[in-house]
Amino acid sequence: DAKTTQPNSMESNEEEPVHLPCNHSTISGTDYIHWYRQLPSQGPEYVIHGLTSNVNNRMASLAIAEDRKSSTLILHRATLRDAAVYYCILNGSARQLTFGSGTQLTVLP
Amino acid sequence: DAGITQSPRHKVTETGTPVTLRCHQTENHRYMYWYRQDPGHGLRLIHYSYGVKDTDKGEVSDGYSVSRSKTEDFLLTLESATSSQTSVYFCAIRGQGWSDTQYFGPGTRLTVL
Repeated sequence: DAKTTQPNSMESNEEEPVHLPCNHSTISGTDYIHWYRQLPSQGPEYVIHGLTSNVNNRMASLAIAEDRKSSTLILHRATLRDAAVYYCILNGSARQLTFGSGTQLTVLP
Repeated sequence: DAGITQSPRHKVTETGTPVTLRCHQTENHRYMYWYRQDPGHGLRLIHYSYGVKDTDKGEVSDGYSVSRSKTEDFLLTLESATSSQTSVYFCAIRGQGWSDTQYFGPGTRLTVL
């Protein structure tokens, strides 16, 4: 199954946009790109997903490169409550979600 | 809110004792999953179910068994708990459609002494 690569950690200032990158150079044509986040002491929470086109929802935006080998999760205005581990995941041929270690986002007041 | 509950939320037990964790859903979803999460690791899949009495192994299934006798309940059993099974256990369901989006329960923190 295709793997993803994310930075271990990122920092952002409160009320500023945050761009979380993810590389998935071996993505296959049928793999959906998923983003989840996990707040401290909670289960993972679905954020957004996409296949080819950019996607927006109330939580975030997902920008997918034209060749689909990378994507970026965009939080338009970070708040302290957005501090979490963010996981970029491909569903793979087995249609399972394989979690990596994610990006720890710190939001500074 | 995907209507997923887990019980118990916390449990401390001793090595060698059997333990059963319960996942309950109210949304009638076909697919259910059990994961464990340990420090330094992301979530790892233990077992999953694709229907009543239909289950399959995940990445770290040794030492665990599962059962699903009705759609809403997915049980994870540690037949003889070991200290290496101290972990946080998460249940998930898969939503409708082809994107495989999953929704997670609040987790069960298990400590095996």
